[in-house]
Amino acid sequence: KQEVTQIPAALSVPEGENLVLNCSFTDSAIYNLQWFRQDPGKGLTSLLLIQSSQREQTSGRLNASLDKSSGRSTLYIAASQPGDSATYLCAVDSNYQLIWGAGTKLIIKP
Amino acid sequence: DTAVSQTPKYLVTQMGNDKSIKCEQNLGHDTMYWYKQDSKKFLKIMFSYNNKELIINETVPNRFSPKSPDKAHLNLHINSLELGDSAVYFCASSQVRQSSSGNTIYFGEGSWLTVV
Repeated sequence: KQEVTQIPAALSVPEGENLVLNCSFTDSAIYNLQWFRQDPGKGLTSLLLIQSSQREQTSGRLNASLDKSSGRSTLYIAASQPGDSATYLCAVDSNYQLIWGAGTKLIIKP
Repeated sequence: DTAVSQTPKYLVTQMGNDKSIKCEQNLGHDTMYWYKQDSKKFLKIMFSYNNKELIINETVPNRFSPKSPDKAHLNLHINSLELGDSAVYFCASSQVRQSSSGNTIYFGEGSWLTVV
């Protein structure tokens, strides 16, 4: 059974720092891995989607990597800003379903 | 112009009542979903419909019944509400079902259900 874990559960850093969020999964038979952002009282917004054959994807200040063999993905945020404060969730697409981690709550202090 | 909209956003109701949450998407997607997010923030799939056909039905009490009158709508009806049903329910849609190429999923803003 696929399980997804995100570490840390919460992270608070000063503005301007680069940071890394981690996601691990137990079964490497995935179709893709996706990173989402959830703002309080809002739905989820897709940030990056990495196909199982890819190693990384980039969008602006965000870079996500995927190491399928070790069951790991990282989301790198460069030059963090207060507007980046949100909960970040990763999900693996496995067997026609998205299996979700519990998220990392990120606070960027001005 | 909201892509995935769900109503109501907040719902407070008593145990034993029956309630519905409505969802509509204007993206022309074939697949729609209902997710439940519990107090620990885990998202769990409840149901998925593809072209109005039920394709995923996770272990959900049969008090929960989805209805898809057409591809653009997927409503969730809940009978005999219990305290444990209190959660945030998210509707979502994607062009095709999961495990398909280039398939971004779009979420509604959630419906906060509180059962008292």
